[in-house]
Amino acid sequence: EDKVVQSPLSLVVHEGDTVTLNCSYEVTNFRSLLWYKQEKKAPTFLFMLTSSGIEKKSGRLSSILDKKELFSILNITATQTGDSAIYLCAVEAGGGAQKLVFGQGTRLTINP
Amino acid sequence: GAVVSQHPSWVICKSGTSVKIECRSLDFQATTMFWYRQFPKQSLMLMATSNEGSKATYEQGVEKDKFLINHASLTLSTLTVTSAHPEDSSFYICSARDNSDTQYFGPGTRLTVL
Repeated sequence: EDKVVQSPLSLVVHEGDTVTLNCSYEVTNFRSLLWYKQEKKAPTFLFMLTSSGIEKKSGRLSSILDKKELFSILNITATQTGDSAIYLCAVEAGGGAQKLVFGQGTRLTINP
Repeated sequence: GAVVSQHPSWVICKSGTSVKIECRSLDFQATTMFWYRQFPKQSLMLMATSNEGSKATYEQGVEKDKFLINHASLTLSTLTVTSAHPEDSSFYICSARDNSDTQYFGPGTRLTVL
């Protein structure tokens, strides 16, 4: 059974801190790993990772994939209160269906 | 960027009635759309994959006769919750995949069944 596990499930830090969110997976026919940010409604796309060792960066956010060890990390530097959200990791897996399997999410809270 | 809309954004209905939720890709064509359900404090769970012009593919444990999916065009998929019951109350989210295989999510529909 395809599985995506995120850790920690919950994290509370102060504004300005750096955080690292983890995502490990066990799936058949891996295609890509995606990170989403979910605030009040539906998730918004952050990154898609398909190759090991290549860091994707967008402002204060960055992410990298390790396909040998089957995990990815999402880093957020100089956190701001607006970064408070649930961060979801999803893996696109399967043959023809190419469906997303989501992790449980990490609830990140940034205190001022 | 790609935009996906859902309608309605929230709906309250009586037990036993049917509810239809629409998912539209506004500025791109999507041969494949996905329907997810999210219960409070839980992650998204895939319900079904909706393919334009063919029958939807349902995940294990999802009743296809209860959750009817129609993907009639390249920009529209509908999910109908038939004979809704309180346990069907949830947040239903659709996504549409563009030609670069990136999934974009709709804003979600909150269904409350009384």
